[in-house]
Amino acid sequence: QVQLVESGGGVVQPGRSLRLSCAASGFTFSNYAMHWVRQAPGKGLEWITLISYDGNKKYYADSVKGRLTVSRDNSMNTLFLQMNGLRPEDTAVYYCARDRTGPADAFDLWGQGTMVTVSS
Amino acid sequence: SSELTQDPAVSVALGQTVRITCQGDSFRNYYASWYQQKPGQAPVLVLYGRTTRPSGIPDRFSGSSSGNTASLIITGAQAEDEADYYCNSRDTSGDPLRYVFGPGTKVTVL
Repeated sequence: QVQLVESGGGVVQPGRSLRLSCAASGFTFSNYAMHWVRQAPGKGLEWITLISYDGNKKYYADSVKGRLTVSRDNSMNTLFLQMNGLRPEDTAVYYCARDRTGPADAFDLWGQGTMVTVSS
Repeated sequence: SSELTQDPAVSVALGQTVRITCQGDSFRNYYASWYQQKPGQAPVLVLYGRTTRPSGIPDRFSGSSSGNTASLIITGAQAEDEADYYCNSRDTSGDPLRYVFGPGTKVTVL
């Protein structure tokens, strides 16, 4: 079954760290670039980061640059998001999403999301 | 960085046609992609490229693009199409590579 499953969310105090994981199955993970997208409660979608298929290229939204770090382990079919210096405004559902291959950009497979709450 | 704008909400009578628009300078250079999100669920890709639907997406979903405006069209809207719809594109700056979502349009089927 082709799917993405996020884990690692929870409640964390401001300034602390958290590491999210996204386990891929049913497709050749190492062939695809991957994204993280988040959604604050009651708000819209926000793209936050992209990592290339081999992990050599990484791109970040200005809102998270320097605090969030994306990585991947293709041998484990897993994507990661290391979140440091968390702020209340980082409270959101975090989704991993697969980047479709081809000339037209799209996020063609999404996980179910994992909730991160930053609160004292 | 670029921005995308969408109408906050639109309504459509059951079986009628609704056009959801997304405006942004990025569409002069990049295609839009469109996502449907129902309450409590993850987004689902419904359209990408100029007019390409992923497997499993009904053919009542179609798209168009002209100038700085991309559109998602639902022809013969069904009750199950009631959802939030988000457009997405690459940021116009191009370097470094970034993406941007529109604020979303809530579609109500009457």
